Amino acid sequence: GENVEQHPSTLSVQEGDSAVIKCTYSDSASNYFPWYKQELGKGPQLIIDIRSNVGEKKDQRIAVTLNKTAKHFSLHITETQPEDSAVYFCAASSPTNTDKLIFGTGTRLQVFP
Amino acid sequence: EPEVTQTPSHQVTQMGQEVILRCVPISNHLYFYWYRQILGQKVEFLVSFYNNEISEKSEIFDDQFSVERPDGSNFTLKIRSTKLEDSAMYFCASSQYQGSTNTEAFFGQGTRLTVV
Repeated sequence: GENVEQHPSTLSVQEGDSAVIKCTYSDSASNYFPWYKQELGKGPQLIIDIRSNVGEKKDQRIAVTLNKTAKHFSLHITETQPEDSAVYFCAASSPTNTDKLIFGTGTRLQVFP
Repeated sequence: EPEVTQTPSHQVTQMGQEVILRCVPISNHLYFYWYRQILGQKVEFLVSFYNNEISEKSEIFDDQFSVERPDGSNFTLKIRSTKLEDSAMYFCASSQYQGSTNTEAFFGQGTRLTVV
């Protein structure tokens, strides 16, 4: 089955710096890669996603890149702000009949003012 | 904006007791899911539900677990005889997935289950 690995587990940056979180997946059939932000005591919230027919997607300060050949995808946050502090999870999904998500282990991002 | 709602937000139960976690998915969604997150760990898939039946379940989802959509709006997860290791945050999610196109899964805020 699919396995998703995520690095780093913790990331501390100064406000205004960029943050990059990387994930790798094992199932070459996976074709949908969402990123979720989880704040303390809340459920995961989708922040951006990418499908396997594109290599990059951007939404304001957030971008995601996908390398299908290498089976890895990354989240890039530019001009980080203290409110970006949260746990970020990558996930992968393959076109089975269930659309279940396999999550990475999470990255705790801390943005210091 | 439509959202997935879960009740209760926190449930404390004694070991061996039955618990029912409740969810109201987004109204036009077709697929429903339960995920679990043990404190400090990643979110794990438990079960998916479509057309009034389980479409896939993980090895975590053993005979102690069951799901039901009793009235067309609620989606419930029942744990028959809780164990200490069932203590976790349980998330309900729903999506419009239609077979060949992945769609966004919306998550509820979770129910924290504590088994004592």
